[in-house]
Amino acid sequence: ILNVEQSPQSLHVQEGDSTNFTCSFPSSNFYALHWYRWETAKSPEALFVMTLNGDEKKKGRISATLNTKEGYSYLYIKGSQPEDSATYLCAFANMYSGGGADGLTFGKGTHLIIQP
Amino acid sequence: DVKVTQSSRYLVKRTGEKVFLECVQDMDHENMFWYRQDPGLGLRLIYFSYDVKMKEKGDIPEGYSVSREKKERFSLILESASTNQTSMYLCASSLRQGVGGYTFGSGTRLTVV
Repeated sequence: ILNVEQSPQSLHVQEGDSTNFTCSFPSSNFYALHWYRWETAKSPEALFVMTLNGDEKKKGRISATLNTKEGYSYLYIKGSQPEDSATYLCAFANMYSGGGADGLTFGKGTHLIIQP
Repeated sequence: DVKVTQSSRYLVKRTGEKVFLECVQDMDHENMFWYRQDPGLGLRLIYFSYDVKMKEKGDIPEGYSVSREKKERFSLILESASTNQTSMYLCASSLRQGVGGYTFGSGTRLTVV
């Protein structure tokens, strides 16, 4: 079973501050790294799917970077707002899982709470 | 708005009952998945399917089976529910190779008493 680690497990941030958290994954046989946002009582929502080493993706105030050689990805949130409160999940697909067609391996998530 | 719909948001079943969790997607996705989410353990893959009538075991298939008779519908079956199957169950779908990411349903919180 592949190991995907996320840190920190939970994070309290003041509104307006910027923050970031980490996803670590196996550096061998990499295919893709996914980020999802999961708000309470809602479905997990795809933020980014990253496939190339050095990839940087941005969606509004949220951005992500990818380092496949060392096996980590960072998610950044600039100027946090209360609506950013959610659990952020990363998920790894390797080459032998059909690139995700055979399922993703998820980390346990970072629970982000934005305090007004 | 594209969707993955899970038939029930909350379910309470008795130990030993046969339980069906239904999932329907309207995106013509090839791949469908069942995950369960438990505190401190994250999402764990139960079963997946990449085509009609095809099914593959995930990481924790014991005590479960699945059915995919039509492309849009993927059912999870608990043959004889047990208390350790109390969990949040999430269905998801994707295009091949997970392109564009997974689309998830809103989950079914199952309690087995």
